[in-house]
Amino acid sequence: AQSVTQLDSQVPVFEEAPVELRCNYSSSVSVYLFWYVQYPNQGLQLLLKYLSGSTLVESINGFEAEFNKSQTSFHLRKPSVHISDTAEYFCAVSESGSARQLTFGSGTQLTVLP
Amino acid sequence: EAGVAQSPRYKIIEKRQSVAFWCNPISGHATLYWYQQILGQGPKLLIQFQNNGVVDDSQLPKDRFSAERLKGVDSTLKIQPAKLEDSAVYLCASSQEFSYNEQFFGPGTRLTVL
Repeated sequence: AQSVTQLDSQVPVFEEAPVELRCNYSSSVSVYLFWYVQYPNQGLQLLLKYLSGSTLVESINGFEAEFNKSQTSFHLRKPSVHISDTAEYFCAVSESGSARQLTFGSGTQLTVLP
Repeated sequence: EAGVAQSPRYKIIEKRQSVAFWCNPISGHATLYWYQQILGQGPKLLIQFQNNGVVDDSQLPKDRFSAERLKGVDSTLKIQPAKLEDSAVYLCASSQEFSYNEQFFGPGTRLTVL
């Protein structure tokens, strides 16, 4: 069975500062990895995903994440955050070849301060 | 393209009452998921449908929860009778049959059991 650990439940950061949200996973087989973002009173939106190929994946709004197989990690980073990035971020894992089921971490609340 | 629709958005009931949630997935999406998201936790899969058949309901508390997806389109999730610990946001998601787990989420129904 797979599991996901997001060590930081809350991350406050000042506007224009860099940020890293940490995600570690556990699985005995190959995995797909995802980051979802949830704004207040909204559903989850896919931010970026790793399926195969390049271990560095990017989103359209400046976030990136790197798949590190040896450390079983998929940390999310952004070099300069904006107020509008304030949201909850969830890391999720799916075993490749499974019935496309996602296991989510407990989430990290990113708060960008002015 | 219309997104995943859910109703109601909010529901308050007393324990031992029954409640039902409705979900209409994105047109053409064969796979439909119901998740339970308790405050401070990540979403947990309750049940997965492929068209109108159940793929996985191993985490659905079947003594009180039931779900159906008639005609392979929209779906209802019912709780009867509700318990205090059922207070949560219930998320519906859908995906194409052969996509790499890109699930599209609805806004959710926030249930409060008093």
